[in-house]
Amino acid sequence: AQSVTQPDIHITVSEGASLELRCNYSYGATPYLFWYVQSPGQGLQLLLKYFSGDTLVQGIKGFEAEFKRSQSSFNLRKPSVHWSDAAEYFCAVYTGRRALTFGSGTRLQVQP
Amino acid sequence: DAGVIQSPRHEVTEMGQEVTLRCKPISGHDYLFWYRQTMMRGLELLIYFNNNVPIDDSGMPEDRFSAKMPNASFSTLKIQPSEPRDSAVYFCASTYTGLRSTDTQYFGPGTRLTVL
Repeated sequence: AQSVTQPDIHITVSEGASLELRCNYSYGATPYLFWYVQSPGQGLQLLLKYFSGDTLVQGIKGFEAEFKRSQSSFNLRKPSVHWSDAAEYFCAVYTGRRALTFGSGTRLQVQP
Repeated sequence: DAGVIQSPRHEVTEMGQEVTLRCKPISGHDYLFWYRQTMMRGLELLIYFNNNVPIDDSGMPEDRFSAKMPNASFSTLKIQPSEPRDSAVYFCASTYTGLRSTDTQYFGPGTRLTVL
């Protein structure tokens, strides 16, 4: 069965520092991968997605992610974090007919 | 577009009562999803519809849960009778899969359900 693992439950970074959030997937075929962000009390918003082609994908808010098939990973990165990036981040994979399976999420805290 | 609309935003009820959550998807979207978010289980897909037809309800936890989509602009998730362990945030999401689809699920703001 398809699954997504986010090994870091909680990450704290200083404002201006770089960020990398980890995501590993388990899927038999080429996965369709997504990163969503959830601000407190809000629904989820799509940051970026990977379907095929260039393994480095750019998203909104300065985020990018790199698909590495050999490592079954799709890590999210940002070179310089802003205080407004504090939120919970979810990695997800299509599990057929556009249903999403989400990871458990990583909560990002940004220190001034 | 106003986005996905959910009502109510907050619901507090007593155990045993019937609860109905409502969702209006984005106009023109042909898929609708119901998710539940809890601390213990994270985000779980409960059921989803394509063109108003339920496709997969394997995530619905028990017979106490039921969902309907009578038309393209409205869906309900009903819990009867409700139990304290049903307390969670319930999200509705929709997406469009035709030409120019971006394969993005658009989420509503959620309904926070508390069952006492």
